[in-house]
Amino acid sequence: QVQLVQSGAEQRKPGDSVKVSCKAYGYDFSGFYMHWVRQAPGQGLEWIGWVNPSSGGTDYADKFQGRVTISRDTPTATAYMELRDLKFEDTGIYYCTRAVRAYWGQGTLVTVSS
Amino acid sequence: QAVVTQEPSLTVSPGGTVTLTCASSTGTVTSDHFPYWFQQKPGQAPRTLIYDTNDKHSWTPVRFSGSLLRGKAALTLSGAQPEDEADYYCLLSYRGAWVFGGGTKLTVL
Repeated sequence: QVQLVQSGAEQRKPGDSVKVSCKAYGYDFSGFYMHWVRQAPGQGLEWIGWVNPSSGGTDYADKFQGRVTISRDTPTATAYMELRDLKFEDTGIYYCTRAVRAYWGQGTLVTVSS
Repeated sequence: QAVVTQEPSLTVSPGGTVTLTCASSTGTVTSDHFPYWFQQKPGQAPRTLIYDTNDKHSWTPVRFSGSLLRGKAALTLSGAQPEDEADYYCLLSYRGAWVFGGGTKLTVL
């Protein structure tokens, strides 16, 4: 069955970068866009962007434009989300979510603290 | 960017029926927005209940249904159970860009 397995929790300082991975199982990785979503503590869900695993094309929410890169490695069926110049308010759980039927990864906690 | 609006909170009695709605600042919600509904309980990842307006996953309880209702996307819960108490988020797609609603906190009381 479809399963998305994300990398483990990360702790960073302000100004650092973080790269979260999402490995896909159980379906044709190239056939479905992969989205990334963030949830700050006690807050709602926020869309970051997507990657087209087939072409490598991307689209990002305006809020993250210039600070995020979503990429993929097709041979390993893995998507990545890199966020740069981290701020305290970037603390939260980051999810990968497959488009079409919206399967979710388990989430990766990113904590930004000094 | 579009804004998607949900009721901040709703209460339903056990066994009762409640409808959650999802409105778009750009106008009428249609099937071209591919409305999704997610359930999230404390400490858990979101779980997709409804996709493409009214399609269900194998794990979606029969008591949940999705529809388009008076220009909005809607999630109806018929026969609420205590375990349905959770946060519910809708999602609309705008030509591939996702916009989430702010969520509805549903209390079963």
